[in-house]
Amino acid sequence: EAQVTQNPRYLITVTGKKLTVTCSQNMNHEYMSWYRQDPGLGLRQIYYSMNVEVTDKGDVPEGYKVSRKEKRNFPLILESPSPNQTSLYFCASSSTRQGHSPLHFGNGTRLTVT
Amino acid sequence: AQKVTQAQTEISVVEKEDVTLDCVYETRDTTYYLFWYKQPPSGELVFLIRRNSFDEQNEISGRYSWNFQKSTSSFNFTITASQVVDSAVYFCALSGTYKYIFGTGTRLKVLA
Repeated sequence: EAQVTQNPRYLITVTGKKLTVTCSQNMNHEYMSWYRQDPGLGLRQIYYSMNVEVTDKGDVPEGYKVSRKEKRNFPLILESPSPNQTSLYFCASSSTRQGHSPLHFGNGTRLTVT
Repeated sequence: AQKVTQAQTEISVVEKEDVTLDCVYETRDTTYYLFWYKQPPSGELVFLIRRNSFDEQNEISGRYSWNFQKSTSSFNFTITASQVVDSAVYFCALSGTYKYIFGTGTRLKVLA
């Protein structure tokens, strides 16, 4: 089944404790990206990747890192999480490098930073 | 700069009513794509439709229809004869070159 898999679904952590949210897709998509969803703000793009080893900032990249060492994986790293990063996070992939095709989303990761 | 505005934060309708969700966008790109996504109460995000900037034909899919007008930079979504299962948050999105911009979403409540 074609899918984007995010883990974990729920995560509660403390300020400053490094964490990684994994994202993997099995559709051989070139484009992958991360979003955070906050009430009243919709979905905001954090980072995106057009291909292996090629990443760029979205609209809200501060406090986040990503890597794209393999085509299928695109982990989101919070080196020192803070409470303002409490949010619902979505990973997504798209079949075209520019991101012009519809996004396939993972099921989301609800992160709470205390 | 790119921007997507969904001015309607929340809409409530009674079942079988028609409802239109508004989307206005801004972009300097000549080639761009517009999308609608649905987020039901279960939380997943589901793709509904894509339109490119060169195709202004309206589209109908069952009870759903979309009206794309470049002259007013709008890409509105109409649900005809709404049903309770249409209750969700709907997002309009714009893709230019690599970046994806979403609107803040419209929460639709369809009451039985």
